Amino acid sequence: SAVISQKPSRDICQRGTSLTIQCQVDSQVTMMFWYRQQPGQSLTLIATANQGSEATYESGFVIDKFPISRPNLTFSTLTVSNMSPEDSSIYLCSVEGGNTIYFGEGSWLTVV
Amino acid sequence: QKEVEQDPGPLSVPEGAIVSLNCTYSNSAFQYFMWYRQYSRKGPELLMYTYSSGNKEDGRFTAQVDKSSKYISLFIRDSQPSDSATYLCAMSSTGNYGQNFVFGPGTRLSVLP
Repeated sequence: SAVISQKPSRDICQRGTSLTIQCQVDSQVTMMFWYRQQPGQSLTLIATANQGSEATYESGFVIDKFPISRPNLTFSTLTVSNMSPEDSSIYLCSVEGGNTIYFGEGSWLTVV
Repeated sequence: QKEVEQDPGPLSVPEGAIVSLNCTYSNSAFQYFMWYRQYSRKGPELLMYTYSSGNKEDGRFTAQVDKSSKYISLFIRDSQPSDSATYLCAMSSTGNYGQNFVFGPGTRLSVLP
């Protein structure tokens, strides 16, 4: 299994601002995934990030709102732009391994 | 019909009880089945992973898959207060670009001392 570190673990943000979440994996991986989990809800895939190419976004998520970088095989960032209270969620970085998926500790964002 | 459905909970049991958590699914292409435990405001932690029908045991946890009925279960024996968490079932199938993962909505479990 991979060890996935996320920063920040939690933050309180003002509406209209942007925040970048960092994800570091302890091994090289081809694909990294970003999920959102809104309060009391299950996991929703935001996008898949491959190194060296643009991220692939799921329906309902756009690059202007959630820009993603993937500069190398162990690191990715997700930015939540122009935040509103509806963006208050846990944001999770994950990687695939052995036909299963592993998650970071998550970044819990509250937008006020 | 949702692709994956899970007993909604919440579920409260006394310490030492046997807990049964269940999911049903509609897509017969799912091949891999997982259970995750998620503590409040933390990321999901992989508990059990199975492939194909049958049982898999790990300590106090047993995962059961019945592909013919499209039904999976997680049993927790001798439940402890530390088992209090939300449990997510997940399953995957092979797509054009790798595995496609689908998660259940989760069941919140409270084990009371």
